[in-house]
Amino acid sequence: QQQVKQSPQSLIVQKGGISIINCAYENTAFDYFPWYQQFPGKGPALLIAIRPDVSEKKEGRFTISFNKSAKQFSLHIMDSQPGDSATYFCAASFAGGTSYGKLTFGQGTILTVHP
Amino acid sequence: KAGVTQTPRYLIKTRGQQVTLSCSPISGHRSVSWYQQTPGQGLQFLFEYFSETQRNKGNFPGRFSGRQFSNSRSEMNVSTLELGDSALYLCASSLYGVPRDGYTFGSGTRLTVV
Repeated sequence: QQQVKQSPQSLIVQKGGISIINCAYENTAFDYFPWYQQFPGKGPALLIAIRPDVSEKKEGRFTISFNKSAKQFSLHIMDSQPGDSATYFCAASFAGGTSYGKLTFGQGTILTVHP
Repeated sequence: KAGVTQTPRYLIKTRGQQVTLSCSPISGHRSVSWYQQTPGQGLQFLFEYFSETQRNKGNFPGRFSGRQFSNSRSEMNVSTLELGDSALYLCASSLYGVPRDGYTFGSGTRLTVV
Protein backbone atom coordinates (compact mmCIF):
# COMPACT_ATOMS: atom_id res chain seq x y z
CA GLN A 1 0.00 0.00 0.00
CA GLN A 2 3.02 2.24 0.16
CA GLN A 3 3.86 1.92 -3.52
CA VAL A 4 3.56 4.44 -6.27
CA LYS A 5 3.57 2.90 -9.74
CA GLN A 6 4.86 5.00 -12.62
CA SER A 7 4.64 4.49 -16.38
CA PRO A 8 6.09 4.44 -18.93
CA GLN A 9 9.69 3.64 -18.00
CA SER A 10 10.92 5.61 -20.99
CA LEU A 11 9.34 8.03 -23.41
CA ILE A 12 10.53 9.56 -26.68
CA VAL A 13 8.79 12.67 -27.94
CA GLN A 14 9.43 15.04 -30.81
CA LYS A 15 10.12 18.69 -30.09
CA GLY A 16 6.84 20.55 -29.73
CA GLY A 17 4.91 17.43 -28.78
CA ILE A 18 3.11 16.55 -25.55
CA SER A 19 4.79 14.29 -23.01
CA ILE A 20 2.49 12.37 -20.66
CA ILE A 21 3.67 10.40 -17.63
CA ASN A 22 1.24 8.50 -15.43
CA CYS A 23 1.30 7.41 -11.80
CA ALA A 24 -1.03 5.32 -9.66
CA TYR A 25 -1.15 4.87 -5.91
CA GLU A 26 -2.95 2.56 -3.51
CA ASN A 27 -2.94 4.30 -0.15
CA THR A 28 -5.80 6.79 0.05
CA ALA A 29 -4.10 8.48 3.02
CA PHE A 30 -1.57 10.05 0.64
CA ASP A 31 -2.44 13.71 0.33
CA TYR A 32 0.48 15.41 -1.38
CA PHE A 33 1.69 14.50 -4.85
CA PRO A 34 4.84 16.19 -6.20
CA TRP A 35 6.75 15.64 -9.41
CA TYR A 36 10.52 15.85 -9.48
CA GLN A 37 12.87 16.31 -12.45
CA GLN A 38 16.39 14.90 -12.38
CA PHE A 39 19.21 15.64 -14.81
CA PRO A 40 22.31 13.42 -15.02
CA GLY A 41 24.74 14.15 -12.20
CA LYS A 42 22.19 16.19 -10.25
CA GLY A 43 19.71 15.53 -7.52
CA PRO A 44 15.95 15.61 -8.16
CA ALA A 45 14.41 19.07 -8.30
CA LEU A 46 10.79 19.84 -7.41
CA LEU A 47 8.84 20.64 -10.55
CA ILE A 48 5.21 20.93 -9.52
CA ALA A 49 2.94 19.48 -6.83
CA ILE A 50 -0.78 18.97 -6.20
CA ARG A 51 -3.13 18.25 -3.30
CA PRO A 52 -6.09 15.89 -3.81
CA ASP A 53 -8.66 18.67 -3.32
CA VAL A 54 -7.96 19.96 -6.85
CA SER A 55 -8.19 18.08 -10.14
CA GLU A 56 -5.61 20.03 -12.10
CA LYS A 57 -2.68 22.38 -11.52
CA LYS A 58 -0.77 24.18 -14.23
CA GLU A 59 2.60 25.92 -14.06
CA GLY A 60 3.87 27.12 -17.41
CA ARG A 61 4.17 24.16 -19.76
CA PHE A 62 3.73 21.64 -16.93
CA THR A 63 0.30 20.40 -15.80
CA ILE A 64 -0.66 17.83 -13.19
CA SER A 65 -4.00 16.11 -13.64
CA PHE A 66 -5.38 14.33 -10.57
CA ASN A 67 -8.13 11.69 -10.48
CA LYS A 68 -8.92 10.93 -6.84
CA SER A 69 -11.51 8.20 -7.52
CA ALA A 70 -9.10 6.31 -9.80
CA LYS A 71 -6.14 7.01 -7.50
CA GLN A 72 -4.14 8.23 -10.45
CA PHE A 73 -2.27 11.38 -11.37
CA SER A 74 -0.31 12.40 -14.41
CA LEU A 75 2.19 14.96 -15.62
CA HIS A 76 1.67 16.64 -18.97
CA ILE A 77 4.50 18.59 -20.57
CA MET A 78 3.19 20.76 -23.37
CA ASP A 79 5.42 21.95 -26.25
CA SER A 80 8.18 19.58 -25.10
CA GLN A 81 11.72 20.87 -25.65
CA PRO A 82 15.08 19.09 -25.89
CA GLY A 83 16.01 20.78 -22.59
CA ASP A 84 13.16 18.84 -20.95
CA SER A 85 15.07 15.59 -21.55
CA ALA A 86 15.55 14.21 -18.04
CA THR A 87 14.23 11.59 -15.65
CA TYR A 88 10.89 12.42 -14.07
CA PHE A 89 9.69 11.00 -10.77
CA CYS A 90 6.23 11.15 -9.30
CA ALA A 91 5.95 10.89 -5.53
CA ALA A 92 3.42 10.82 -2.74
CA SER A 93 3.37 11.54 0.96
CA PHE A 94 1.12 11.73 4.01
CA ALA A 95 0.21 14.89 5.84
CA GLY A 96 0.85 13.59 9.31
CA GLY A 97 3.93 13.66 11.49
CA THR A 98 5.10 10.26 10.31
CA SER A 99 5.75 11.83 6.92
CA TYR A 100 8.65 14.00 8.08
CA GLY A 101 11.24 13.99 5.31
CA LYS A 102 9.63 11.06 3.54
CA LEU A 103 8.42 10.88 -0.02
CA THR A 104 7.42 7.61 -1.68
CA PHE A 105 8.74 7.78 -5.23
CA GLY A 106 7.69 6.10 -8.44
CA GLN A 107 10.35 4.26 -10.42
CA GLY A 108 10.99 7.15 -12.79
CA THR A 109 10.47 7.89 -16.49
CA ILE A 110 13.36 8.73 -18.78
CA LEU A 111 12.11 11.37 -21.19
CA THR A 112 13.96 12.08 -24.42
CA VAL A 113 12.82 14.97 -26.58
CA HIS A 114 14.22 14.85 -30.12
CA PRO A 115 14.91 18.16 -31.87
CA LYS B 1 21.54 31.47 -2.01
CA ALA B 2 23.74 28.40 -1.75
CA GLY B 3 22.08 25.07 -2.38
CA VAL B 4 22.44 21.78 -0.57
CA THR B 5 26.07 20.69 -0.47
CA GLN B 6 27.08 17.06 -0.28
CA THR B 7 30.63 15.84 0.17
CA PRO B 8 32.40 13.98 -1.14
CA ARG B 9 30.93 13.63 -4.62
CA TYR B 10 32.49 10.23 -5.23
CA LEU B 11 33.74 7.47 -2.96
CA ILE B 12 35.17 4.03 -3.55
CA LYS B 13 35.26 1.73 -0.55
CA THR B 14 36.04 -1.92 0.05
CA ARG B 15 33.48 -4.40 1.33
CA GLY B 16 33.50 -4.48 5.14
CA GLN B 17 34.72 -0.90 5.55
CA GLN B 18 32.62 1.94 6.87
CA VAL B 19 31.89 5.31 5.28
CA THR B 20 30.65 8.73 6.39
CA LEU B 21 28.87 11.11 4.05
CA SER B 22 28.21 14.78 4.78
CA CYS B 23 25.34 17.13 3.93
CA SER B 24 25.11 20.88 4.49
CA PRO B 25 21.54 22.13 4.08
CA ILE B 26 20.36 25.43 2.73
CA SER B 27 20.92 28.19 5.28
CA GLY B 28 17.91 28.38 7.59
CA HIS B 29 16.66 24.90 6.77
CA ARG B 30 16.46 22.77 9.86
CA SER B 31 15.35 19.44 8.39
CA VAL B 32 17.66 17.07 6.53
CA SER B 33 16.52 13.80 5.05
CA TRP B 34 18.56 11.12 3.30
CA TYR B 35 17.69 8.92 0.35
CA GLN B 36 19.37 6.02 -1.44
CA GLN B 37 19.02 5.93 -5.23
CA THR B 38 19.75 2.74 -7.18
CA PRO B 39 18.68 1.62 -10.67
CA GLY B 40 16.83 -1.37 -9.23
CA GLN B 41 15.08 0.09 -6.18
CA GLY B 42 14.81 3.72 -7.24
CA LEU B 43 14.70 6.43 -4.59
CA GLN B 44 14.24 5.09 -1.08
CA PHE B 45 13.93 7.09 2.13
CA LEU B 46 16.55 6.40 4.79
CA PHE B 47 15.86 8.85 7.65
CA GLU B 48 15.09 12.44 8.59
CA TYR B 49 16.64 14.71 11.19
CA PHE B 50 15.35 17.94 12.70
CA SER B 51 17.02 19.86 15.51
CA GLU B 52 19.51 17.04 16.03
CA THR B 53 16.71 14.47 16.51
CA GLN B 54 15.78 11.61 14.20
CA ARG B 55 12.04 11.93 13.63
CA ASN B 56 11.48 9.41 10.87
CA LYS B 57 13.20 6.31 9.60
CA GLY B 58 12.86 4.14 6.53
CA ASN B 59 13.22 0.40 6.22
CA PHE B 60 16.99 0.01 6.18
CA PRO B 61 19.22 -2.15 8.40
CA GLY B 62 20.93 -0.75 11.45
CA ARG B 63 24.21 -0.47 9.53
CA PHE B 64 22.80 2.78 8.19
CA SER B 65 22.83 5.58 10.73
CA GLY B 66 22.97 9.31 10.82
CA ARG B 67 23.20 12.36 12.98
CA GLN B 68 22.62 16.07 12.82
CA PHE B 69 24.65 18.82 14.38
CA SER B 70 23.48 22.06 15.99
CA ASN B 71 24.18 23.97 12.76
CA SER B 72 21.80 21.56 10.93
CA ARG B 73 24.61 19.87 9.00
CA SER B 74 24.06 16.15 8.85
CA GLU B 75 26.20 13.09 8.41
CA MET B 76 25.23 9.62 7.35
CA ASN B 77 27.29 6.55 8.23
CA VAL B 78 27.22 3.09 6.72
CA SER B 79 29.15 0.40 8.57
CA THR B 80 30.29 -3.01 7.32
CA LEU B 81 29.76 -2.07 3.70
CA GLU B 82 28.21 -4.58 1.32
CA LEU B 83 28.37 -4.62 -2.48
CA GLY B 84 24.65 -3.81 -2.55
CA ASP B 85 25.27 -0.53 -0.77
CA SER B 86 26.70 0.89 -4.00
CA ALA B 87 24.34 3.74 -4.81
CA LEU B 88 23.86 7.46 -5.13
CA TYR B 89 23.12 8.87 -1.68
CA LEU B 90 21.09 12.04 -1.73
CA CYS B 91 20.23 14.42 1.03
CA ALA B 92 17.38 16.89 0.95
CA SER B 93 16.78 19.93 3.10
CA SER B 94 13.63 21.83 3.98
CA LEU B 95 12.48 24.32 6.58
CA TYR B 96 10.59 21.95 8.85
CA GLY B 97 10.61 18.57 7.10
CA VAL B 98 6.97 18.66 6.13
CA PRO B 99 6.64 17.34 2.54
CA ARG B 100 4.52 20.32 1.50
CA ASP B 101 7.50 22.57 2.30
CA GLY B 102 9.16 21.17 -0.81
CA TYR B 103 12.47 19.38 -0.51
CA THR B 104 15.71 20.66 -2.10
CA PHE B 105 18.08 17.87 -2.99
CA GLY B 106 21.84 17.98 -3.23
CA SER B 107 23.72 16.44 -6.14
CA GLY B 108 24.52 13.37 -4.10
CA THR B 109 27.49 11.23 -3.16
CA ARG B 110 28.19 8.33 -5.51
CA LEU B 111 29.37 5.40 -3.38
CA THR B 112 30.94 2.38 -5.03
CA VAL B 113 31.69 -0.67 -2.91
CA VAL B 114 34.22 -3.10 -4.37
